[in-house]
Amino acid sequence: GAVVSQHPSWVICKSGTSVKIECRSLDFQATTMFWYRQFPKQSLMLMATSNEGSKATYEQGVEKDKFLINHASLTLSTLTVTSAHPEDSSFYICSAREERDSSPLHFGNGTRLTVT
Amino acid sequence: GQNIDQPTEMTATEGAIVQINCTYQTSGFNGLFWYQQHAGEAPTFLSYNVLDGLEEKGRFSSFLSRSKGYSYLLLKELQMKDSASYLCAVRDSNYQLIWGAGTKLIIKP
Repeated sequence: GAVVSQHPSWVICKSGTSVKIECRSLDFQATTMFWYRQFPKQSLMLMATSNEGSKATYEQGVEKDKFLINHASLTLSTLTVTSAHPEDSSFYICSAREERDSSPLHFGNGTRLTVT
Repeated sequence: GQNIDQPTEMTATEGAIVQINCTYQTSGFNGLFWYQQHAGEAPTFLSYNVLDGLEEKGRFSSFLSRSKGYSYLLLKELQMKDSASYLCAVRDSNYQLIWGAGTKLIIKP
């Protein structure tokens, strides 16, 4: 089945630094990848839709200059949290979908970010 | 607006059957998905319904009624490892996924 690899699984960083999270589709090409954030005991919240070769589409309330998304190839999208603050601490999950109508989203294992 | 409702929490007994309901109001419909999410982990795909009726996959089944805007996930022969959150998601006319808040299922021995 389709596999999405996300790295790192967890990261601790100091306030003010930047963190890059990678998302790779291992056995299929993904024109579109999605980035979600999930706070404890809350549902998934879509942050942005990453489109290969073009700019990402951000959801309302998500700062595009803070959460930089690069979808440089059909198998790789990156999310960079710039100038991280403690309130950015969360579980970040990427997902991708094969180009079939019935295809579900395949999720990476998520990245737990803690900003101290 | 678009809305998906599912119960916040349910409790069931090991070996029993539980039904998790999901009702939705979305702008268009292009399929409904159920995902399982264990605490601290990413969601995993369980089922997909786009036509009315029941889809069975082992111990899990999912039902859809488009006219009623209603789906349920049925879990049989419950095991302790089934303790998780179950997320209902609907793909709307723009192929955007609208997520429910999830149902936390607690399995007791």
